[in-house]
Amino acid sequence: DTAVSQTPKYLVTQMGNDKSIKCEQNLGHDTMYWYKQDSKKFLKIMFSYNNKELIINETVPNRFSPKSPDKAHLNLHINSLELGDSAVYFCASSHHAPTGDRGTYGYTFGSGTRLTVV
Amino acid sequence: QQQVKQSPQSLIVQKGGISIINCAYENTAFDYFPWYQQFPGKGPALLIAIRPDVSEKKEGRFTISFNKSAKQFSLHIMDSQPGDSATYFCAASSTGNQFYFGTGTSLTVIP
Repeated sequence: DTAVSQTPKYLVTQMGNDKSIKCEQNLGHDTMYWYKQDSKKFLKIMFSYNNKELIINETVPNRFSPKSPDKAHLNLHINSLELGDSAVYFCASSHHAPTGDRGTYGYTFGSGTRLTVV
Repeated sequence: QQQVKQSPQSLIVQKGGISIINCAYENTAFDYFPWYQQFPGKGPALLIAIRPDVSEKKEGRFTISFNKSAKQFSLHIMDSQPGDSATYFCAASSTGNQFYFGTGTSLTVIP
């Protein structure tokens, strides 16, 4: 079973279009995230949701909007796509706080969606 | 502002050699320092992590060295293998808060 799954894996679209990327996690995590990875591999956080509340909203264009129908899903909607939006987008999930023994914890990432805007 | 600074950007090591990746941070509130490994076409995956109450953590060929006073930590890969070729990210967080990732190091292990 895939822990964090996102679809589609590849997305090629024209400038100006609106598109969505879906993400689902079956780990029982209470926080989900969207990251953008550019061509230099830099990971930039875009959003996170904890119990349906947006808790991080970095300075991303308002053309990007996260939508979380429930704790296991966090979809990313992008309006009026631009060439600069081309990147790999990763969904991730985690517990908001460490487990009781403060053991090893971290984000579990999906396999990514490569978005190409032409 | 980059919360975690990572170097080098790329690293080439011979098979059997030691790979060393360094990270530095400024925020003294950080209390958890994981390392992630990313293979091409895959998402980053948690590799190993350390808390500042210990100076070293070892898991197999992977070791984190932590210097609290210098606010630096590093990943050592002993006996590096071609299968270790990947991009490595360090990260830091304070309890319950988001992870701040380094800029990544592309490691190539030559057979």
